[in-house]
Amino acid sequence: EPEVTQTPSHQVTQMGQEVILRCVPISNHLYFYWYRQILGQKVEFLVSFYNNEISEKSEIFDDQFSVERPDGSNFTLKIRSTKLEDSAMYFCASSDMGYNEQFFGPGTRLTVL
Amino acid sequence: AQSVTQLDSHVSVSEGTPVLLRCNYSSSYSPSLFWYVQHPNKGLQLLLKYTSAATLVKGINGFEAEFKKSETSFHLTKPSAHMSDAAEYFCVVSDYPLVGGSYIPTFGRGTSLIVHP
Repeated sequence: EPEVTQTPSHQVTQMGQEVILRCVPISNHLYFYWYRQILGQKVEFLVSFYNNEISEKSEIFDDQFSVERPDGSNFTLKIRSTKLEDSAMYFCASSDMGYNEQFFGPGTRLTVL
Repeated sequence: AQSVTQLDSHVSVSEGTPVLLRCNYSSSYSPSLFWYVQHPNKGLQLLLKYTSAATLVKGINGFEAEFKKSETSFHLTKPSAHMSDAAEYFCVVSDYPLVGGSYIPTFGRGTSLIVHP
């Protein structure tokens, strides 16, 4: 069964450093998403991406964040200068159509020291 | 605007007894509603979804949910809990987008299901 994969599973970084979180969506999917879940809190939408551009983004997704689909398989989330409050689990998801259910990856736990 | 409230942060049941996880939602339009499950160190897995067809929705692993518009509820049930059901459960609501775009879901805070032997 096809699945969304994410690497790394755990990333530890120093405050102010740049991090790139990687995702490989399901191969025939066209819509891609990033979410985050701060420990003990709800899952929050960050951004959606379709046709090589951002289609929706939340207030959380400020200038420190960017997304990219550098090739036909990867979908990345970059945080330019990490803050302590960026520590969270980051989930990638994909869907074949915008109105269909999203398939989630296992997440990357980001720890900012 | 859309929102979702999961009424219980923790639900504890004995193996073999029924499960009820409660969810209330608020939506401006006809929403799509989902239940996802998250096992430890795993991603979110879709249990079931409601998208304006039958109000009683059957999902995987014996779970089902009933959409009640008058009560704005979408509670998740299972007749008999199994130890492997112990996990975090998320109720999700998503409004139909006004103009193109994607369904942007709003997640509830989650309910932790604890199953005792």
